[in-house]
Amino acid sequence: QQQVKQSPQSLIVQKGGISIINCAYENTAFDYFPWYQQFPGKGPALLIAIRPDVSEKKEGRFTISFNKSAKQFSLHIMDSQPGDSATYFCAASMRRGGSNYKLTFGKGTLLTVNP
Amino acid sequence: KAGVTQTPRYLIKTRGQQVTLSCSPISGHRSVSWYQQTPGQGLQFLFEYFSETQRNKGNFPGRFSGRQFSNSRSEMNVSTLELGDSALYLCASSLARQGASSGANVLTFGAGSRLTVL
Repeated sequence: QQQVKQSPQSLIVQKGGISIINCAYENTAFDYFPWYQQFPGKGPALLIAIRPDVSEKKEGRFTISFNKSAKQFSLHIMDSQPGDSATYFCAASMRRGGSNYKLTFGKGTLLTVNP
Repeated sequence: KAGVTQTPRYLIKTRGQQVTLSCSPISGHRSVSWYQQTPGQGLQFLFEYFSETQRNKGNFPGRFSGRQFSNSRSEMNVSTLELGDSALYLCASSLARQGASSGANVLTFGAGSRLTVL
C-alpha cells in the first residue's frame, strides 16, 4: 500500500519556468511533510518542509502548498534553473512512540530544466 | 563539520552471501535510520536506532538487521543475499532531541552504499 503518491514521474521545464510536483497522502496521522532533492551519486538532501497547521511555506524559489482537507501538498520551484535538475521526493512522517524518523517517501520526480 | 559517512560506497556480492554496511553519523547525532532505494520501490524505511536500541522497523524480512554502537555508529547486515537486494542503502542521522516536535529533527543522509548482488 503506497501511502504517499507523487506525480508526475518526470518533468521537463524550460529555464525560468515554474516546476510543480504534487503529492497526496492517505494517513491523516502524518504531521510532517518534507521535500528532498537528490542529485546522481548523492543521498537525498532536505529542501523544505511543512507541518499541517500551515497552508504555505516559502524558502527562496521553493514553495510548499499544503491542503489538509484534500490530503495533498505540492512543491513549486519558481524561476527554475538547470542546476535544479535532480530527482525530488516528497515524504511524510508521524510522531509515534517518541520517534519522528520513519519517513514514507513518494516514488520521486525526475526534473530536467533545459537551458 | 563532517557529514554522514557510509562505507563501503560500492560492493558486489553473490547470491547467498551476507553483507555488512557501516554508517558514521554526524558528530552529536544520536539517531540513525536506514533506507533502501531501488528504481522500482523507491525509498523504503528499514529501521531506526537511538541509543543502541531499535525504535522503529520497516516491513523487511528478518534477513535485514542492524545495530548501533555506543558512539552512535551503526551497521546493517543482510544475510542470504537475493538478487532483489541489489539497491542503494542509505543511512541518515539526526540529533533526536528529547521532546522535539515532529520534524524538528532533520534527517541528514549519507551518499549511500550501492550493493549489487549477482
